[in-house]
Amino acid sequence: DQQVKQNSPSLSVQEGRISILNCDYTNSMFDYFLWYKKYPAEGPTFLISISSIKDKNEDGRFTVFLNKSAKHLSLHIVPSQPGDSAVYFCAANDGGSNYKLTFGKGTLLTVNP
Amino acid sequence: DGGITQSPKYLFRKEGQNVTLSCEQNLNHDAMYWYRQDPGQGLRLIYYSQIVNDFQKGDIAEGYSVSREKKESFPLTVTSAQKNPTAFYLCASSSGKVEKLFFGSGTQLSVL
Repeated sequence: DQQVKQNSPSLSVQEGRISILNCDYTNSMFDYFLWYKKYPAEGPTFLISISSIKDKNEDGRFTVFLNKSAKHLSLHIVPSQPGDSAVYFCAANDGGSNYKLTFGKGTLLTVNP
Repeated sequence: DGGITQSPKYLFRKEGQNVTLSCEQNLNHDAMYWYRQDPGQGLRLIYYSQIVNDFQKGDIAEGYSVSREKKESFPLTVTSAQKNPTAFYLCASSSGKVEKLFFGSGTQLSVL
């Protein structure tokens, strides 16, 4: 029973264009969402997060949008750069479980020069 | 530099053997975690510890054991009871509530 779903295993975009990575969740108790970036054979690194009281959070080239009614969030990267090529994981936390994150399966982003 | 150190980077296990993965952090974080990643899968929580001398099972704790005798250290033992141990193991820590996890660079465990 996957509570956090990333339905696109991979995405390929051209350098300079926008990358949009999507994530859906089923648990209505989730109230905090994070995106992590992971290179091969390395640990994930935190990218950006959003609380359920917001619908948008921006940090430089990265913006996360949250649509609570649709239980959907997305990560926008503009402009995309070759160094952005990595696996991106969506993760969620519910306020009643302060120490547990539930991760999606990840989306492999490839940015072509 | 503060961070999380996992060792070894690669580990091989023979049938029936227990192996221990090391995780050390100097971030002064209270909470530490062990995750497992299989190809094409998300990260699944094995165990976590909120404070020294206390730890909780995650979603896939069977066949694993941990200890938390020091704040800085959270070793994971993969026992012979874990029938499918081949995976990439990630240790993480956080300052308290899981707003943001900091991960180590991982250990790839394979079975001989």
